[in-house]
Amino acid sequence: GAGVSQSPSNKVTEKGKDVELRCDPISGHTALYWYRQSLGQGLEFLIYFQGNSAPDKSGLPSDRFSAERTGGSVSTLTIQRTQQEDSAVYLCASSPQVWGNQPQHFGDGTRLSIL
Amino acid sequence: DQQVKQNSPSLSVQEGRISILNCDYTNSMFDYFLWYKKYPAEGPTFLISISSIKDKNEDGRFTVFLNKSAKHLSLHIVPSQPGDSAVYFCAAHLNRDDKIIFGKGTRLHILP
Repeated sequence: GAGVSQSPSNKVTEKGKDVELRCDPISGHTALYWYRQSLGQGLEFLIYFQGNSAPDKSGLPSDRFSAERTGGSVSTLTIQRTQQEDSAVYLCASSPQVWGNQPQHFGDGTRLSIL
Repeated sequence: DQQVKQNSPSLSVQEGRISILNCDYTNSMFDYFLWYKKYPAEGPTFLISISSIKDKNEDGRFTVFLNKSAKHLSLHIVPSQPGDSAVYFCAAHLNRDDKIIFGKGTRLHILP
């Protein structure tokens, strides 16, 4: 489809395992963003990409979190040594340009559950 | 410290009546505001936005009002329809840091 695609839609894993979440943005969108939504909370900004570079990594909760984007398209968010507090819905969004006066287009998210 | 606050976690409105969702902010540097709508198991979808230089923007059944002196904005939906039942997020763009900050959302229930 033409929208933002995220995979997997659901992921259940044991504490301590590494997980990788994938985001396919809308074709041609320069900007890509990762957010997470914990239970009862709003959208927490994690990181954004302008092309393949990430100018602002200030939102990543700890050094267990990392993200990359290749070819100006697909992005992966990796969480190492997962903890129970990492359980959340991880949302990816894209837009034609970084931030600016335009809305972001969101994927349906990956629901991550850490046992 | 929350810069964008949606103080009502939920709101119930009769079908056909007006729904009013409120949002307060603390940072006077926000230069525009957005509302997103989110259904369960789906990502948020953009609804309507307003620049800080305006006080009203209307799109069909949806109108957003901005009161800069009170640092308050509201989303009006009239008439409310069953499909409007969703979580609504208020978001604000911070020009200085070029970031968008989201509120925690308000769950709207449209009653038959």
